Amino acid sequence: DTGVSQDPRHKITKRGQNVTFRCDPISEHNRLYWYRQTLGQGPEFLTYFQNEAQLEKSRLLSDRFSAERPKGSFSTLEIQRTEQGDSAMYLCASSGDSRKSNLWQMGYTFGSGTRLTVV
Amino acid sequence: GQQVMQIPQYQHVQEGEDFTTYCNSSTTLSNIQWYKQRPGGHPVFLIQLVKSGEVKKQKRLTFQFGEAKKNSSLHITATQTTDVGTYFCAGLVRSSNTGKLIFGQGTTLQVKP
Repeated sequence: DTGVSQDPRHKITKRGQNVTFRCDPISEHNRLYWYRQTLGQGPEFLTYFQNEAQLEKSRLLSDRFSAERPKGSFSTLEIQRTEQGDSAMYLCASSGDSRKSNLWQMGYTFGSGTRLTVV
Repeated sequence: GQQVMQIPQYQHVQEGEDFTTYCNSSTTLSNIQWYKQRPGGHPVFLIQLVKSGEVKKQKRLTFQFGEAKKNSSLHITATQTTDVGTYFCAGLVRSSNTGKLIFGQGTTLQVKP
């Protein structure tokens, strides 16, 4: 499979529990992004990795959120002490650097997402 | 903060009618990308525009990037039921060195057969 894989597809958790999501990007892509999407809204940026380095993190991301990308391959997103407001679709996307003349970045390839419901 | 606004939020058309969605950024963009999300699906990359005033076509879809690189539009000619979905524009801010895209709220297109 050459797409972006996310696991699990759905997660229902009780408020206060910790959850962890996994993303496997396209292997040759060095850029990996996490976004969050709620109903009727566009994806909202959470964090960015270039290879294994986390280079940007949204100010909207509280200390309860942490992400890793060990060895620059798969990535995990952990939410500690979940709240009902965390309920959303969590999308992972990867992209690479274009080898064409003036296009330094290709479009994102999104995974199918993890739908989190906090009850 | 940087914002990307899209209008309209919803559009219902009869099959065969045209459709246009507009995107405006609060800041000058390095490039703009368009994505389509089918109901229950995830966003899928359609196209990227880089140059000021650029126009690109994909079959019945026409994409434009404004001269000031702050606005863009997507026009669909003679809509079909397969065009149903939400169309997002996403801007790459000129000062960004991470490739972070700022997404609009999307325009949801419904096509009546």
